[in-house]
Amino acid sequence: GQQLNQSPQSMFIQEGEDVSMNCTSSSIFNTWLWYKQDPGEGPVLLIALYKAGELTSNGRLTAQFGITRKDSFLNISASIPSDVGIYFCAGSGAGSYQLTFGKGTKLSVIP
Amino acid sequence: NAGVTQTPKFRVLKTGQSMTLLCAQDMNHEYMYWYRQDPGMGLRLIHYSVGEGTTAKGEVPDGYNVSRLKKQNFLLGLESAAPSQTSVYFCASSSQGLEQYFGPGTRLTVT
Repeated sequence: GQQLNQSPQSMFIQEGEDVSMNCTSSSIFNTWLWYKQDPGEGPVLLIALYKAGELTSNGRLTAQFGITRKDSFLNISASIPSDVGIYFCAGSGAGSYQLTFGKGTKLSVIP
Repeated sequence: NAGVTQTPKFRVLKTGQSMTLLCAQDMNHEYMYWYRQDPGMGLRLIHYSVGEGTTAKGEVPDGYNVSRLKKQNFLLGLESAAPSQTSVYFCASSSQGLEQYFGPGTRLTVT
């Protein structure tokens, strides 16, 4: 089946720093999504990408759909304490109703 | 507008007992999904539905059954619970199968 490799697995950053994380797939995806999960909560959709090369922002978050269609990137600028959580990438192939999820990047922000 | 709700929030079962998890959505979404989340494993799809009266198997369907008798509800059943089914269960819904919106989760422990 499809596999997503998400990296890094975890990261500790100082408040105010920028953050980058990425996701790579063993196969081509037509859709990339990025979610954030707070402890004890369900994942919340942050950004959806539908086109290779697409760059989309949501406040301080920016995500890109890689031109090979096998990767995606999420950047967070000027991190704040409430950015703490687990960030998941998810992808879907052509004509699929299913998402494949990465294993997550756990972000810790040091005030 | 409650979005996606799940009941119960917590449950403890003994091995061999049965139970049903209820997911309800008020967004008139066609697609609904059940996932399980285990530490370090990300989210794995158990079963899904593309409309009222339909169900299909996901990545890890064994030991679970589902029903979608009404568009707004999606039930997940465990007929004979096993310790390996200890997990956090998330329901999600989507209007077109890609941007999925998650409920708050049910934490199940099987002893």
